[in-house]
Amino acid sequence: EVQLVQSGAEVKKPGESLKISCKGSGYTFINYRVAWVRQMPGKGLEWMGIIYPGDSETTYSPSFQGQVTISVDKSITTAYLQWDSLRASDTAMYYCVRRDFSNHDYWGQGTQVTVSS
Amino acid sequence: QTVVTQEPSLTVSPGGTVTLTCASSTGAVTRDYYPNWFQQKPGRAPRSLIYATDNKHSWTPARFSGSLLGGKAALTLSGVQPEDEADYYCLLYYGYPWVFGGGTKLTVL
Repeated sequence: EVQLVQSGAEVKKPGESLKISCKGSGYTFINYRVAWVRQMPGKGLEWMGIIYPGDSETTYSPSFQGQVTISVDKSITTAYLQWDSLRASDTAMYYCVRRDFSNHDYWGQGTQVTVSS
Repeated sequence: QTVVTQEPSLTVSPGGTVTLTCASSTGAVTRDYYPNWFQQKPGRAPRSLIYATDNKHSWTPARFSGSLLGGKAALTLSGVQPEDEADYYCLLYYGYPWVFGGGTKLTVL
């Protein structure tokens, strides 16, 4: 069974750093790209960027370039999304999703990130 | 900045048929945009329904279908059930990034 299991909810202060994770299982991890999607409170979905675990090639949406870093550790079949300095506007639910060519098929359960002083 | 536009809200009666559309600010949507459709219920992660215009997953109910209609991607629900009340999002490919539509809130009433 394909699963993407994300790390738990986080509460952080502005300026702090954070790295959240997404562990894939039930499939050959290095063969499928993993994308990250943001959903701010009461808002729609935003495609942030994507990584190919096979060679760590990463592409970001222009809106998120320089704001976050996507990485992967294929030895433990885990993708990451990280911030060096959080802002209140980073408060959102973050989802990872497996991409199979034209198909964003399996989604993680989401990680709630709250940034508040 | 590419914008993908969906109807903000639609209402349908149980058993009825409704079509949601997905338009691109760059022009007509074609198969080359690999339209994906997702359903999201409150407090839940999105669930993929349709990919590459009209392909279904094993878990996609038969009443959902995808197509191209008048230069837009379309998701049609035939024989709507109360449990279909949800937010629906399309996703289009622009050679990276992919871009989501703003979503359609479907009410079954």
